[in-house]
Amino acid sequence: SQELEQSPQSLIVQEGKNLTINCTSSKTLYGLYWYKQKYGEGLIFLMMLQKGGEEKSHEKITAKLDEKKQQSSLHITASQPSHAGIYLCGADPGSYGKLTFGQGTILTVHP
Amino acid sequence: NAGVTQTPKFQVLKTGQSMTLQCAQDMNHEYMSWYRQDPGMGLRLIHYSVGAGITDQGEVPNGYNVSRSTTEDFPLRLLSAAPSQTSVYFCASSGTGEKLFFGSGTQLSVL
Repeated sequence: SQELEQSPQSLIVQEGKNLTINCTSSKTLYGLYWYKQKYGEGLIFLMMLQKGGEEKSHEKITAKLDEKKQQSSLHITASQPSHAGIYLCGADPGSYGKLTFGQGTILTVHP
Repeated sequence: NAGVTQTPKFQVLKTGQSMTLQCAQDMNHEYMSWYRQDPGMGLRLIHYSVGAGITDQGEVPNGYNVSRSTTEDFPLRLLSAAPSQTSVYFCASSGTGEKLFFGSGTQLSVL
């Protein structure tokens, strides 16, 4: 079965700083999803990457997929307190609408 | 659009009690799934369904039952609640090749 390892597990940054969260897979990545979760709330979809080398951006968040390394990275530029929460990567093992998730990265942004 | 609706939002059970977590989606999605979220462990798949009448086990199915009699509904049944089932539960749905849409979650405590 596929396993996803996220690093770091937690991250504390000062507002305005850049940061990167990594997600490494034990198997080939066919599709990689990034979600964000505020404490006590549901999951908010951020981005989906499907091709090696693909890069997507939304506002100050950029995600990349490195197929050879079986890894995806999520980069936040000029972090804000609104970016705080839990970031989860999820991999699609092939279909059927089910994902394998990493353990999550807890991001804290101090004003 | 309502999206994915989960009820209840909170539930407290005594050990041995049974209950059903409800999940409904109004997007005509073929795929539905249930996850549990525990601290430091991301989301783990309990059961999933690829269509009405078809269900299968995920990573942590023990102690849970599901059925899918209609496309819209995918209830999760706890047969005899145990303290180890204290968790946050999420239902999700998707179409082929699409992102997962998540419900807002059910926080369950088993005493």
